[in-house]
Amino acid sequence: DAEITQSPRHKITETGRQVTLACHQTWNHNNMFWYRQDLGHGLRLIHYSYGVQDTNKGEVSDGYSVSRSNTEDLPLTLESAASSQTSVYFCASSESGDPYEQYFGPGTRLTVT
Amino acid sequence: AQSVAQPEDQVNVAEGNPLTVKCTYSVSGNPYLFWYVQYPNRGLQFLLKYITGDNLVKGSYGFEAEFNKSQTSFHLKKPSALVSDSALYFCAVRGPSTGGSYIPTFGRGTSLIVHP
Repeated sequence: DAEITQSPRHKITETGRQVTLACHQTWNHNNMFWYRQDLGHGLRLIHYSYGVQDTNKGEVSDGYSVSRSNTEDLPLTLESAASSQTSVYFCASSESGDPYEQYFGPGTRLTVT
Repeated sequence: AQSVAQPEDQVNVAEGNPLTVKCTYSVSGNPYLFWYVQYPNRGLQFLLKYITGDNLVKGSYGFEAEFNKSQTSFHLKKPSALVSDSALYFCAVRGPSTGGSYIPTFGRGTSLIVHP
């Protein structure tokens, strides 16, 4: 069965370190998204991609970057981790066109100390 | 700009009773509306969506939602709640694709607690 996976599921890192969160989907979806989920804020979009070599900033992109070198993967990099980036991160994918629902990964809980 | 409001942070209902989780939206043009459910320590799962046509949409696990254009609402409903329905529910809206944009806006979520 097709799926979307994230790794690691839990990560503790120190302030200032670079961290990369992996996202891999086997749906063959063109669209991929990264969100963070925080209490009181719901889901906030960090970055998204509509296909290989395409990346776009979301509403909370500062301090984060992504790259899309193939259809299956969209890694999220925290250039220099900050305590404000402690959160649960979700990757999602969807088909192109209208109006397809998103498929979400299980999430990565990141703690920055 | 598009936006979603889920006016209740928490909804409490007794098992066997009907439940309603409210959602109102704002969008230019015809909306695409979605409901997702999130169980503890899990990602969001798609429940149902409204595209066009019948205002009553049926989805997974016995849930349904009613689209009301005049009230710009898309409330989630279930005739008889189960304890296992206890979870976090998210409403999302997307306007018509603009220049190839497919970005939905999510509400803040409503915690549904079903009491035995």
